[in-house]
Amino acid sequence: LAKTTQPISMDSYEGQEVNITCSHNNIATNDYITWYQQFPSQGPRFIIQGYKTKVTNEVASLFIPADRKSSTLSLPRVSLSDTAVYYCLVSGSSNTGKLIFGQGTTLQVKP
Amino acid sequence: KAGVTQTPRYLIKTRGQQVTLSCSPISGHRSVSWYQQTPGQGLQFLFEYFSETQRNKGNFPGRFSGRQFSNSRSEMNVSTLELGDSALYLCASSPAGLASYNEQFFGPGTRLTVL
Repeated sequence: LAKTTQPISMDSYEGQEVNITCSHNNIATNDYITWYQQFPSQGPRFIIQGYKTKVTNEVASLFIPADRKSSTLSLPRVSLSDTAVYYCLVSGSSNTGKLIFGQGTTLQVKP
Repeated sequence: KAGVTQTPRYLIKTRGQQVTLSCSPISGHRSVSWYQQTPGQGLQFLFEYFSETQRNKGNFPGRFSGRQFSNSRSEMNVSTLELGDSALYLCASSPAGLASYNEQFFGPGTRLTVL
C-alpha cells in the first residue's frame, strides 16, 4: 500500500478556499485516491475519490496531476463547520474493504 | 436508507473481561470493516468481512475476532481486555462494487473504556 504524506494541520478563515495536498510517491497503477472527513467522536465520512485529472462534486474538488504522485483536495469557501480532520488514502482493488488511514490534516477554520 | 448502526454506543469493562460489539450495515451492503481509533495510534484497520468470510485482516492480536452473519450484520469480539484496548471502535459498510470499493460508510462508533 502506498504511503501518504499530508500536513499535520492547517488554519483558514471562513469564506476562503482551502487546498490540502497529499503526496503518494509509490502509488500503484490500480490505486485510487480517496479523501475522508472526520469530526470529533464521529466516524469518517467519504468526501471524494479520483483516479486522474480532476473530479468535482457538490462539496469538493480533487486535482490529480498526470504522474499521480500527489493530489490536492480543494474545499471552496469553507465555513466553521468544515473544521475537521481530513484524511488522504490511496488504495486499489486488491485491498477492497481495507482502508489505511494516515495521521490526517487537522483543518481549523476561524471566523 | 438507514445508516450504519452500532451497539452499544458506550461500554465500560474491566481488564480481563471480554466484550462483543455489534454492527448493522446499510441495507444491501455486503462488506463490513472494523477499525480501532485511539489518540496515539489513530485509525487502524482491524478486519473486513464479505459474505460471511473474513477477506482482509489488520495487524491485531488474536484477542480481536469478528464474524459476519448471513444478513451481513457483523460482530466484533475482544477477549481478555487490556487497558490499551480503550478506544473508539468503528464499523463501516460498503456495497463492495467495482467502482466504489474505497467508499465506506461509517457508523457512529462504540466507545469502549477498559478500567
